Amino acid sequence: ILNVEQSPQSLHVQEGDSTNFTCSFPSSNFYALHWYRWETAKSPEALFVMTLNGDEKKKGRISATLNTKEGYSYLYIKGSQPEDSATYLCAHSNDYKLSFGAGTTVTVRA
Amino acid sequence: DADVTQTPRNRITKTGKRIMLECSQTKGHDRMYWYRQDPGLGLRLIYYSFDVKDINKGEISDGYSVSRQAQAKFSLSLESAIPNQTALYFCATGPGGYSQGYNEQFFGPGTRLTVL
Repeated sequence: ILNVEQSPQSLHVQEGDSTNFTCSFPSSNFYALHWYRWETAKSPEALFVMTLNGDEKKKGRISATLNTKEGYSYLYIKGSQPEDSATYLCAHSNDYKLSFGAGTTVTVRA
Repeated sequence: DADVTQTPRNRITKTGKRIMLECSQTKGHDRMYWYRQDPGLGLRLIYYSFDVKDINKGEISDGYSVSRQAQAKFSLSLESAIPNQTALYFCATGPGGYSQGYNEQFFGPGTRLTVL
């Protein structure tokens, strides 16, 4: 049983459209929330680390928000491009370890 | 050059064989981790090490062992491989030293292991 859940499991988006997906996590004993981008056969790449309730982070067309009180984070992709196709992983940090969700796989259709 | 490397990248083996997966890092980090990834599941922690003399079991350590040969090297062994250990294995490193719980981690490219 995963205590970090991501939804949807997968999505398809048309090139140029925007999309978003969620990560929910236990709100107790919270230290940090990580987002990673993972392309098949490559290393998962860190996108964001967020620690404070209300944090918003942005990297190019990708942004993320954090609500620690209710235990969720959103990741947004604006104007999706084919190179955004990947699996996006979130991970909840509590003390010494990261607990990962199963990921949301994004496929951008040209 | 990659900061975290894993060898081999792919391996097919038979039930009962002993397998070692290796991980090396050039980031100078103290912390190293081994995870496995299965379809539909998140990355699950097998073992972790906060320095050369510190080895700890993760949530799914049964059937696995590890060795921290040096700060830069952390290997994972399957003493007698079984088919349900077929998975994608990731090594990760982390600097530690941050405020408690920050846990920034950097991943290798993974080793795909198939046990027949």
